[in-house]
Amino acid sequence: DIQMTQSPSTLSASVGDRVTITCRASQSISSWLAWYQQKPGKAPKLLIYKASSLESGVPSRFSGSGSGTEFTLTISSLQPDDFATYYCQQYNSYSLTFGGGTKVEIK
Amino acid sequence: QVTLRESGPALVKPTQTLTLTCTFSGFSLSTSGMCVSWIRQPPGKALEWLALIDWDDDKYYSTSLKTRLTISKDTSKNQVVLTMTNMDPVDTATYYCARTGEVGATYFDYWGQGTLVTVSS
Repeated sequence: DIQMTQSPSTLSASVGDRVTITCRASQSISSWLAWYQQKPGKAPKLLIYKASSLESGVPSRFSGSGSGTEFTLTISSLQPDDFATYYCQQYNSYSLTFGGGTKVEIK
Repeated sequence: QVTLRESGPALVKPTQTLTLTCTFSGFSLSTSGMCVSWIRQPPGKALEWLALIDWDDDKYYSTSLKTRLTISKDTSKNQVVLTMTNMDPVDTATYYCARTGEVGATYFDYWGQGTLVTVSS
């Protein structure tokens, strides 16, 4: 199975900060990567698919980049609603895997 | 409007078999490209994909759990069922069903609210 490693596991930031989360795959997954946001007690919400495509309705401050084995999720200006846990997920094969998550906390 | 809802027991005993049902609306699992997956999340931990069934009745399973899982669908009822055998306390988790809506691109655009399953004697 393809292993997905996210860093950092926890990130402390302030409103207005630019935030970057990294996801690394154990082998090349081309651009078959999605990003999700999850708030406590809620289901994950799709933000980005195909590494850089913004899901409809998701604010443009969210962006994704990368290909192959290294990917990033960037929040250009952190808003109060963005404090949450973020997960990457690869879909290069039918053995789907998620990263371990990055919790974005208030500094 | 796409919705998914999980149902099943909140508590199961060790060694028992868990059966979960995902009832969905707003799409048909007979439409090309549509898939439904089960994903779980132990308390305070990361997401783990379990199984997927597609419009053509092809089924895919987590490598580590495939011997314990069975996924099936009833297209007429808009339901997908997951069974997991030999439950253990480590299987305590919130179980989600989620939809894939694009051919060849198995990311999840719609999720159910999740159902918490506790494994305890």
